Amino acid sequence: GIQVEQSPPDLILQEGANSTLRCNFSDSVNNLQWFHQNPWGQLINLFYIPSGTKQNGRLSATTVATERYSLLYISSSQTTDSGVYFCAVVSGGSNYKLTFGKGTLLTVNP
Amino acid sequence: DGGITQSPKYLFRKEGQNVTLSCEQNLNHDAMYWYRQDPGQGLRLIYYSQIVNDFQKGDIAEGYSVSREKKESFPLTVTSAQKNPTAFYLCASSKSNEQFFGPGTRLTVL
Repeated sequence: GIQVEQSPPDLILQEGANSTLRCNFSDSVNNLQWFHQNPWGQLINLFYIPSGTKQNGRLSATTVATERYSLLYISSSQTTDSGVYFCAVVSGGSNYKLTFGKGTLLTVNP
Repeated sequence: DGGITQSPKYLFRKEGQNVTLSCEQNLNHDAMYWYRQDPGQGLRLIYYSQIVNDFQKGDIAEGYSVSREKKESFPLTVTSAQKNPTAFYLCASSKSNEQFFGPGTRLTVL
């Protein structure tokens, strides 16, 4: 099946810094989503982005499907951005199944 | 208020007992999913259902069972055959390709 690799696995920032999280995938995808998992375990939808670029406030994402990667940008980070960021994809042949990466644990210090 | 609800939030079970986790959605979504998350890991698909009265096994279906008698409901039973059931269980639903998640149930086997 499709492989999803996220980097870095851990990231520590000072408040106000910018960061880039990367997601590589091993096959063509029909769907790519970025999630933020908060300390209570809730998965918050950040972006649905199988291709192209989207922005939402301080967050933006770019997916280059032909090169099989996606990037999540966080600007002017805040302590509330802390948590685990997951990339998940639906590969071309599976219709609905989301395959998750192992996540990036982001810690933003005040 | 539209959304996905899961109950209970925390569940404790003795070895050898079956337990059922509830998942309800009022988003009018056709597809529903059950995922399992272990500490420090991404989510893995247990079962999914694209339509009422139909469901398919995911990657780790052994020891679990589901039913889909109503569009709004997709309960998951963790049976005594599941060897390592302690985990965080998340339910999701989708209408097109984007999946949305409930708040999760933490199951602990004593």
